[in-house]
Amino acid sequence: AQTVTQSQPEMSVQEAETVTLSCTYDTSESDYYLFWYKQPPSRQMILVIRQEAYKQQNATENRFSVNFQKAAKSFSLKISDSQLGDAAMYFCAYRSRDSNYQLIWGAGTKLIIKP
Amino acid sequence: DSGVTQTPKHLITATGQRVTLRCSPRSGDLSVYWYQQSLDQGLQFLIQYYNGEERAKGNILERFSAQQFPDLHSELNLSSLELGDSALYFCASSPGLEKGNTIYFGEGSWLTVV
Repeated sequence: AQTVTQSQPEMSVQEAETVTLSCTYDTSESDYYLFWYKQPPSRQMILVIRQEAYKQQNATENRFSVNFQKAAKSFSLKISDSQLGDAAMYFCAYRSRDSNYQLIWGAGTKLIIKP
Repeated sequence: DSGVTQTPKHLITATGQRVTLRCSPRSGDLSVYWYQQSLDQGLQFLIQYYNGEERAKGNILERFSAQQFPDLHSELNLSSLELGDSALYFCASSPGLEKGNTIYFGEGSWLTVV
């Protein structure tokens, strides 16, 4: 079975600086999808970025980018120019190509932004 | 705004009662998912519907049931409520059964059982 591990329960960063959140996963599949979701204090679950495993190029969305290392089964999220509004829980999630419903979730990392 | 609408946003009810949570998926999305998130925990997948039919079932209690209607909106029914059912219930949707469809979440319905 697939598993997702986020080893950092909490991270903090100074406003305007860069922070990287770690995520590793375990799977025997070769084709799958990876996601980062953000959950601010409002508890809404917001998609941040998505990566398709068959794509070599790392996904980017404005200040958010990923470092996808397929062989190492690592999928880290880099947030550049951190803003106060980035403070949230960040969840890494895995979805099998053969699954149309099951997202496997990491435990989450709480990101604190210091003004 | 993800386009997924959930009502009510907040609900307080007593143990033993029954409640219904409602979800309207994004326009054009055929798949609807229900998730439960208890305090300080991750999301637990409950159930998925596609175009009116149940497609997958996760950790959903027998006291809970769901359905998807012809207009594609979905309802999650929670009965014989217990204190432990207090949680944030998310509805999510995706376009269809294409593999890897991104799942978009609503803002959630806060249920407090007292």
